[in-house]
Amino acid sequence: EAGVAQSPRYKIIEKRQSVAFWCNPISGHATLYWYQQILGQGPKLLIQFQNNGVVDDSQLPKDRFSAERLKGVDSTLKIQPAKLEDSAVYLCASSASSRVGNTIYFGEGSWLTVV
Amino acid sequence: KQEVTQIPAALSVPEGENLVLNCSFTDSAIYNLQWFRQDPGKGLTSLLLIQSSQREQTSGRLNASLDKSSGRSTLYIAASQPGDSATYLCAVRYNKPNQAGTALIFGKGTTLSVSS
Repeated sequence: EAGVAQSPRYKIIEKRQSVAFWCNPISGHATLYWYQQILGQGPKLLIQFQNNGVVDDSQLPKDRFSAERLKGVDSTLKIQPAKLEDSAVYLCASSASSRVGNTIYFGEGSWLTVV
Repeated sequence: KQEVTQIPAALSVPEGENLVLNCSFTDSAIYNLQWFRQDPGKGLTSLLLIQSSQREQTSGRLNASLDKSSGRSTLYIAASQPGDSATYLCAVRYNKPNQAGTALIFGKGTTLSVSS
């Protein structure tokens, strides 16, 4: 079974530029998450989708971050304009559903450095 | 507000030792607790998931316990190996305050180094 796929793996951009990350969840998984992990910290949820609808985006900095999940499968996370403090790993994860007992599966992450 | 703390932040042990990683959480009203492993430059791999009604889960050399009333979980690793070197994170799932649905909140992790 293929895992959660993310691209690009690494990205270096200058502040005020834009960047987009792509995620393909495990086939059939209805729930998709984007997490931000700053070095030395645990992952922090940015946004959660159930199929193509947003369930939770309370911690998403909406003035610069946006995310979509068209057709309830792939998802993209965009940052525009980027700030230095956005340097982090952006982890995409998926689970079969949002039921509390379901295991969450993570991708390998997209590493962003803003200079 | 739910907070998750992991102690120690880093741990170095010689190969073959048994070790315990600790995780504590402030609100005992959780649905489950999950332990993850993160290798450098990689994503998170789920190791064990303990439901709130369970006391422990085992997988190979790993054993995770949960004491919900005291807000604690431990991950026991038996006969450690150099390949166990990684960062171990725990996460709890709980009801989001003032919102529908649940949230998963992570600790900062314990970085384990096992020397041969």
